[in-house]
Amino acid sequence: GAGVSQSPSNKVTEKGKDVELRCDPISGHTALYWYRQSLGQGLEFLIYFQGNSAPDKSGLPSDRFSAERTGGSVSTLTIQRTQQEDSAVYLCASSSRLAGGEQFFGPGTRLTVL
Amino acid sequence: GQQLNQSPQSMFIQEGEDVSMNCTSSSIFNTWLWYKQDPGEGPVLLIALYKAGELTSNGRLTAQFGITRKDSFLNISASIPSDVGIYFCARREGTSYGKLTFGQGTILTVHP
Repeated sequence: GAGVSQSPSNKVTEKGKDVELRCDPISGHTALYWYRQSLGQGLEFLIYFQGNSAPDKSGLPSDRFSAERTGGSVSTLTIQRTQQEDSAVYLCASSSRLAGGEQFFGPGTRLTVL
Repeated sequence: GQQLNQSPQSMFIQEGEDVSMNCTSSSIFNTWLWYKQDPGEGPVLLIALYKAGELTSNGRLTAQFGITRKDSFLNISASIPSDVGIYFCARREGTSYGKLTFGQGTILTVHP
């Protein structure tokens, strides 16, 4: 498909385990973003990558959270030593100046920490 | 951080009615965006506004960027059942690749 894809769609894990969430942006989009949507909360920014620039990590809630973007395309969000408060939907978005600059979102990964 | 205040939090309306929701900000910025989120899906961009006073339509949707650059509204005319969902306003920081800050969302329910 032509949209942003994320995997897995659902992830259930035990407290203390590490998890990896994957995002495949729209082909050719140079910017990639991660957001978190907790129950009853709006969407909050976590991190974004733009080209070869240093990522903006200002939204990461703790040092247990990290993200990488390999080859300017696929990104992985890693949460170490998960806590119950990490339970949320993690959304990825991508954008391109050539496509108007606005962000297109994937369907999200629903993370449940038991 | 800078906050967006979105209201109302929820709306229950009859099919065919018009709907209005709005967002206000404590600071000036250059881009207002309106997104809709269906259950189990990511937000979908409805309308983007780039200039103070700009009024933009997308089918039955109309949105305006306030003159003061601190507010925006979204109107939906002649609502239909598929309008059900959560509507978010958002602002983008600075550049074309800036991160988004979202309002709290408006949950819309449409009764047939």
